[in-house]
Amino acid sequence: AIQMTQSPSSLSASVGDRVTITCRASQGISNELGWYQRKPGKAPKLLIYAASSLQSGVPSRFSGSGSGTDFTLTISSLQPEDFATYYCLQDFSHPYTFGQGTKLEIK
Amino acid sequence: EVQLVESGGGLVQPGGSLRLSCAASGFTFSGFWMTWVRQAPGKGLEWVVNIKQDGSEKNYVDSVKGRFTISRDNAKNSLYLQMNSLRAEDTAVYYCARDIGPPYNAMDVWGRGTTVTVSS
Repeated sequence: AIQMTQSPSSLSASVGDRVTITCRASQGISNELGWYQRKPGKAPKLLIYAASSLQSGVPSRFSGSGSGTDFTLTISSLQPEDFATYYCLQDFSHPYTFGQGTKLEIK
Repeated sequence: EVQLVESGGGLVQPGGSLRLSCAASGFTFSGFWMTWVRQAPGKGLEWVVNIKQDGSEKNYVDSVKGRFTISRDNAKNSLYLQMNSLRAEDTAVYYCARDIGPPYNAMDVWGRGTTVTVSS
């Protein structure tokens, strides 16, 4: 199975900060990667698919980039509602695999 | 409104069985791949299994192969997960999710989850 290594595992930031989370695949996955937001007690939410395509309804402060093995999720200006845990998921080959998650906390 | 609602979770002893269901509404269920994802207490998300629109293709994570079986009934707009030989490490919240549609594989609609606890 493809392994996804996400970093950092946790991150403290302030409202208004620019934040970047990275995900590295153990082998090339083209652009077949998604980013998900998870808040306690809520279902995961798709933010980005195909590495850089913004899901409908997701604010434009979220963006994704990368191809091959290295990917990034960027939040351009953190808002209070963005404090959550973020996961990448490779959907290039089965079994699909998530990164271990990045917990974004308020500084 | 597009919606997925899971049910069937509960407390089961190790070695026992449980069948989860996911009721879909608000979209053409038969047109989409469907997926089960789980999250164990204090752990991250884990992709478990998915199934093609007509049920002809199923893909499992190694840890559940031979124990879990995914199925669907397009006439009833329902997805199922039969879980046998349950282990403590299967304890998790189980989510069903809809794949976004070709050519992409991301999951764009999620249920609220159902909790499975495997314990004696």
